[in-house]
Amino acid sequence: DIQMTQSPSSLSASVGDRVTITCRASQDISNSLAWYQQKPGKAPKLLLYGASRLESGVPSRFSGSGSGTDYTLTISSLQPEDFATYYCQHYYSTQYTFGQGTKLEIK
Amino acid sequence: EVQLVQSGAEVKEPGESLKISCKGSGYTFTSYWIAWVRQMPGRGLECVGIIYPGDSDTRYNPSFQGQVTISAHNSVSTAYLQWSTLKASDTAMYFCARIKTGATDYFDSWGQGTLVTVAS
Repeated sequence: DIQMTQSPSSLSASVGDRVTITCRASQDISNSLAWYQQKPGKAPKLLLYGASRLESGVPSRFSGSGSGTDYTLTISSLQPEDFATYYCQHYYSTQYTFGQGTKLEIK
Repeated sequence: EVQLVQSGAEVKEPGESLKISCKGSGYTFTSYWIAWVRQMPGRGLECVGIIYPGDSDTRYNPSFQGQVTISAHNSVSTAYLQWSTLKASDTAMYFCARIKTGATDYFDSWGQGTLVTVAS
């Protein structure tokens, strides 16, 4: 099984900051990676897929990059509505695996 | 507009059975896989299993195999997750999600979640 490890598990930042969250796979996943945002009591929301493709309607301050085993989600200038928990997700052989999540809190 | 609407919160006792639902609209229900995702209190996301309503092909996360049953009823565009014998450890929020397949698979639309509480 492919394991997905996110870091950090939590992060404090201020409005306007640039923030990067990392997701590392236990083996090469060839850009088969999606990112989601989840706010308390709500369903997750798709942000990016294919490692770097922005879902329609998602603000351009969100971006994704990476290759092989290492991937990043970057928020270029944090807005108040961005404080949430973020998850990466990989698909392989009918198994969908999520990272453990990164909680982004206001400093 | 694609929508997935789930059934309401449930409170059950250990040993009881339960079936929760997820109704799709705004797209061809039989043409997309549906996933069920568990989120235990204060924890992360886990995929329970998936179903392709077009042919009822169903696949389970090995961690959930034998613990739950996933099904679909195409005439009402609804997928189901059911338990025959609930345990306290089944207490969680359960989401359904539509799977977009292609070069990579991901969950592009989600239901609002169904909170299942199992307590005596």
